[in-house]
Amino acid sequence: KQEVTQIPAALSVPEGENLVLNCSFTDSAIYNLQWFRQDPGKGLTSLLLIQSSQREQTSGRLNASLDKSSGRSTLYIAASQPGDSATYLCAVNYGGSQGNLIFGKGTKLSVKP
Amino acid sequence: GAVVSQHPSRVICKSGTSVKIECRSLDFQATTMFWYRQFPKKSLMLMATSNEGSKATYEQGVEKDKFLINHASLTLSTLTVTSAHPEDSSFYICSASRTGASSSGNTIYFGEGSWLTVV
Repeated sequence: KQEVTQIPAALSVPEGENLVLNCSFTDSAIYNLQWFRQDPGKGLTSLLLIQSSQREQTSGRLNASLDKSSGRSTLYIAASQPGDSATYLCAVNYGGSQGNLIFGKGTKLSVKP
Repeated sequence: GAVVSQHPSRVICKSGTSVKIECRSLDFQATTMFWYRQFPKKSLMLMATSNEGSKATYEQGVEKDKFLINHASLTLSTLTVTSAHPEDSSFYICSASRTGASSSGNTIYFGEGSWLTVV
């Protein structure tokens, strides 16, 4: 069974800290992996998309890495800000249509001023 | 940038009634849209794949006669929850795939989601 797990479920850090969110997946034969942000009561915002042939993607203060062999991905957030507070979701696409994603339960991040 | 709009954002309906949720791609054509739902403290789960001009493909365990999906145009898909019950109360969210939107391949855009409460 293909599963996606995110650790920790919740994380609280002071402003300015660098932090890492973890995502693991049981089946390494992925097509791509995506990190999303979900604000309370809002839809999802795509942050970074990593194809199976890539090792990392960067956007601003965000860096996502992918290690298919170990079934892991990390989302690194540098110099965290209160506005980064949200739930971060990892989703894996095992092929076929792009929207068929398997999601983790997310990590709820709180950045304290 | 591309936007997917979902409406309504929140809806409360009485048990036994039906409610329709719309998903629109505002500035691109989406031959395929996807519907997910998320129960509290659970993962987002794919319900069905909506294909323009043809029948939707439902995931195992999702009742196609209860969750009616219509994708009549390249920019609109609708999800109708028929004879809603309190256990259908959930967060429903749609997504659409835009082909070739970035150098890394297709990009998925999500709607804002719809909170359904059945009383």
